[in-house]
Amino acid sequence: DQQVKQNSPSLSVQEGRISILNCDYTNSMFDYFLWYKKYPAEGPTFLISISSIKDKNEDGRFTVFLNKSAKHLSLHIVPSQPGDSAVYFCAASDITQGGSEKLVFGKGMKLTVNP
Amino acid sequence: NAGVMQNPRHLVRRRGQEARLRCSPMKGHSHVYWYRQLPEEGLKFMVYLQKENIIDESGMPKERFSAEFPKEGPSILRIQQVVRGDSAAYFCASSPPDGGGDTQYFGPGTRLTVL
Repeated sequence: DQQVKQNSPSLSVQEGRISILNCDYTNSMFDYFLWYKKYPAEGPTFLISISSIKDKNEDGRFTVFLNKSAKHLSLHIVPSQPGDSAVYFCAASDITQGGSEKLVFGKGMKLTVNP
Repeated sequence: NAGVMQNPRHLVRRRGQEARLRCSPMKGHSHVYWYRQLPEEGLKFMVYLQKENIIDESGMPKERFSAEFPKEGPSILRIQQVVRGDSAAYFCASSPPDGGGDTQYFGPGTRLTVL
């Protein structure tokens, strides 16, 4: 059962515009959320994260917003650049009873930024 | 660059053979995680290890799969008697020992193809 959902498989935007990537989750016990960027044939690269005690975290062109009541987070990229074209994964940290800190990933969304 | 290293990057096996995937965590990291990505899917957690200990193997198939992280040397994910359904990208991630397990840093992955 998908606990982290990225419902849009792809997004295409023009260079310089804002990209908004959305993510929903079902498990209210998740307390830390991350975005990873992935190029073909490479591993995921950590982009930005947010703790559940915050509702916004910003790092340069990247901002992540968290709405806990709606169990929704979004990643804003502005301005978008062609080099941002990649697959973006939303992930949630699931701390289990044994102290495990596994990540639960969404299926990913392919972002294409057109020049 | 002392990032997470995985080898081999590509591995081809015939059905029934064994596959051994290796992962060297980032320098100073003592937590290792293995994930599997099937085509068109997100990454799925398999196992979480610390030096000489398996902390959480809830995502590991019950048979044929095993993992270790010895005191010396890399972490090994071993798949015995591979079948075509094992074909996937296997990613290793690591995190530091000081409670920074929320942010995991990924290696480039091993792409396993079972003929």
